Amino acid sequence: SYELTQPPSVSVSPGQTARITCSGDELPKQYACWYQQKPGQAPVLVLYKDTQRPSGIPERFSGSSSGTTVTLTISGVQAEDEADYYCQSAVSSATWVFGGGTKLTVL
Amino acid sequence: EVQLVQSGAEVKKPGESLKISCKGSGYSFTSYWIGWVRQMPGKGLEWMGIIYPGDSDTRYSPSFQGQVTISADKSISTAYLQWSSLKASDSAMYYCARQGPDGAYFDYWGQGTLVTVSS
Repeated sequence: SYELTQPPSVSVSPGQTARITCSGDELPKQYACWYQQKPGQAPVLVLYKDTQRPSGIPERFSGSSSGTTVTLTISGVQAEDEADYYCQSAVSSATWVFGGGTKLTVL
Repeated sequence: EVQLVQSGAEVKKPGESLKISCKGSGYSFTSYWIGWVRQMPGKGLEWMGIIYPGDSDTRYSPSFQGQVTISADKSISTAYLQWSSLKASDSAMYYCARQGPDGAYFDYWGQGTLVTVSS
């Protein structure tokens, strides 16, 4: 079955840049999106269509795509950015999959 | 304001049936796909399936096909996730979410329904 692969954890100091990757064979053909989930809360969409930011999401969240990898970049990381991050993409029309998730720790 | 409000936490025994709900408001319920996502304790998100309330077109992840049933009642703007015979391994948080207007992403999420299955 199709999988999206993320690193289990990423650690950065406040003010630095965090990069979280998501790899999958279909990513050159399908858009990806990213969610942030804090403990005890529902996920929140932070990027869609690889690079688009929903309204209300800070500009420090950005996205990029290259080949079979998409990347969520958080510039000038703040303590409030500590959370789990999940990528998502389509397997086929109207069937999707999530990555395994990455725990971002702000040191 | 778009809102998805889910039914409350459930405690069930193995073998029992269950139907949880997700009521949409603040938008045209029949015009957007609604999906369901499982999160087992301490684990990641799992995409279960999705329904288009306008015509009840439904798609399932292979992992969940035959294990659950997704349905919707457009007259009351509500989507459902149901089990005919629960197992302990169905214990999890379940989220409903609305698919965005132009692509494969969930732009609004419900607050989640915690299902506990224990003898």
